[in-house]
Amino acid sequence: DTGVSQNPRHKITKRGQNVTFRCDPISEHNRLYWYRQTLGQGPEFLTYFQNEAQLEKSRLLSDRFSAERPKGSFSTLEIQRTEQGDSAMYLCASSKLAGSTDTQYFGPGTRLTVL
Amino acid sequence: AQSVTQLGSHVSVSEGALVLLRCNYSSSVPPYLFWYVQYPNQGLQLLLKYTSAATLVKGINGFEAEFKKSETSFHLTKPSAHMSDAAEYFCAVSPRMDTGRRALTFGSGTRLQVQP
Repeated sequence: DTGVSQNPRHKITKRGQNVTFRCDPISEHNRLYWYRQTLGQGPEFLTYFQNEAQLEKSRLLSDRFSAERPKGSFSTLEIQRTEQGDSAMYLCASSKLAGSTDTQYFGPGTRLTVL
Repeated sequence: AQSVTQLGSHVSVSEGALVLLRCNYSSSVPPYLFWYVQYPNQGLQLLLKYTSAATLVKGINGFEAEFKKSETSFHLTKPSAHMSDAAEYFCAVSPRMDTGRRALTFGSGTRLQVQP
């Protein structure tokens, strides 16, 4: 299997601009997750898709954030009107149910810097 | 609500010494537990997972962890540290499959330094 891929790896933007990140999961993984990781902290869950359905959303996912997975394959995460507090590493993970377990495999992340 | 506490944000050991990274969880029912490792500017790599089979779990790179329900712990160990083990380690807890929820809850991480 090729792993989870994320693009771009780095993004620098000015406050107020919109940004969009892409995640390509491991093939045949029907579940896809987005997390945010700030410096010195563990990842925090943002949202989760099973196929194209968005099934779970965190309180962290404000109305400036939107995620889609239109065909149940790749996903995009858009942040509108970026703020300096949005600066973080955005991690994508994917999984598929195997027996009773559902192990999440992570991509390399997209590091966002908002100036 | 589930939570994970990692005791010690930084741990330093000598090359060849025992590695012990501590993780305690809080959950109303026995959860699934994971250890991930993160190298600088990279994503997270799965080291090992506990899913209610054997309580002693062996992972990659010589790491293992023991689930102790009475202590609500899932500490990570390695008998002999290598320089290449220097990284950030995260313990995570997942709801059980029958809850319908899938979000991992991570601890704040432990940075392992290995001294020559």
